[in-house]
This record gives sequence, structure tokens and C-alpha cells, in this order.
Amino acid sequence: ETGVTQSPTHLIKTRGQQVTLRCSSQSGHNTVSWYQQALGQGPQFIFQYYREEENGRGNFPPRFSGLQFPNYSSELNVNALELDDSALYLCASRVRGGVETQYFGPGTRLLVL
Amino acid sequence: DQQVKQNSPSLSVQEGRISILNCDYTNSMFDYFLWYKKYPAEGPTFLISISSIKDKNEDGRFTVFLNKSAKHLSLHIVPSQPGDSAVYFCAASAEGGADGLTFGKGTHLIIQP
Repeated sequence: ETGVTQSPTHLIKTRGQQVTLRCSSQSGHNTVSWYQQALGQGPQFIFQYYREEENGRGNFPPRFSGLQFPNYSSELNVNALELDDSALYLCASRVRGGVETQYFGPGTRLLVL
Repeated sequence: DQQVKQNSPSLSVQEGRISILNCDYTNSMFDYFLWYKKYPAEGPTFLISISSIKDKNEDGRFTVFLNKSAKHLSLHIVPSQPGDSAVYFCAASAEGGADGLTFGKGTHLIIQP
């Protein structure tokens, strides 16, 4: 069974640029969520996708957007990057309709200069 | 306003003794609770969970206790081992999971030899 994978592992961007992060769900999982973890904080929920549609969103502005593909892989896009977007971005997957346990990938470390 | 609170940023325990990590929550809609363990440069690893219909769940050395009336849960690790040194996050979910997981800020557990 393949776990959650994410790419790239690290990324450096400048303020105002756009970034795309990628995630492959754990085998058999149909729901994917994205989280932002700032230094010294717990992960914060950005949004969730099920059947290629966003079906839940945390307190993040519209410049954070996503996609889910038919194979359940996912992308997180962030436009107009700000310095405060520097964080670890985590992808998690689960089976919707079952228990709420989410399984996380290793994360992408984004640095905005 | 933090809905999930871990009031101890760090905890030091001797190897072989019991580690007790605490978590408080404020949202009455939370009905599923999880503990994750995180090493530096890795994503959170699922440890153990508990549904709000139970007050205790065990898995090997790990036991989670839930006190709904006090809105408090705790994770017990017995016996503590050096490999348990990590940051532990408490997380909570409301029914359906569309709002994602809400995390505490974490407790850094250090197991002393």
C-alpha cells in the first residue's frame, strides 16, 4: 500500500509569484485535504476535496485554490505569494464515509522571499 | 480563538516511566479526536484516535482517555521509550469532517535516558 506522497519537498519563491504543490493520495482514499503549518504552530486546515469538488474550507483567502483529479491526486495553488505564506504545506488523505482518520504526507516546505 | 489547546509546550519524562500529554477543546461539535506524532522534516504520523461515544481507547503502549463533560483528553504512553521523543499534536473533527481537523499547537515530548 502506497502512502501519501508530495512534491516538491522544498521550494523557494519570491513575493507576488504563484506556486503549485502536488499530492498523491494513499491508495484507496478518495478525499484529500490540505493544511498549512507555520513554525511553532499546529497544522491549519485550508480546504478539502471529494469527487473533484471542494467540499470544505478553512479560513484562507481565495488566492489559495486547489484541484482534485480522477485518480484522487491533488494540487494546491497559491497566487500572489506573501511572506507569511512561508510554511510547511501538508496533504492528507482519507476514505470519506469512514472514520475521520487522515493520513499525512511528508509535506512541502515553502519559503517566500 | 483556539478551539483545541495543548497547554504544555514541552514535557520531559524518564525512559520507562509514563508520559501523559493533555489536550482541552472548546467546540461541543467535535466528536472524533486523534493524536499525531511528528518528527522534524516529516509529516504527522497517526497514533491513536477515539470517538466521542467512548471514554478510552488502547493500542499497545498508547492509551487515549476522553472526558466529554470536561472537554479534555489525554494520551498515556507506557512505558516511554527514546523513540517516543517527538512533537505530539492533538486534533479534533466534527461530524462529517468537512471542516477538516483542528489541531493544537503541539507538545514536545523528550524522553530522558
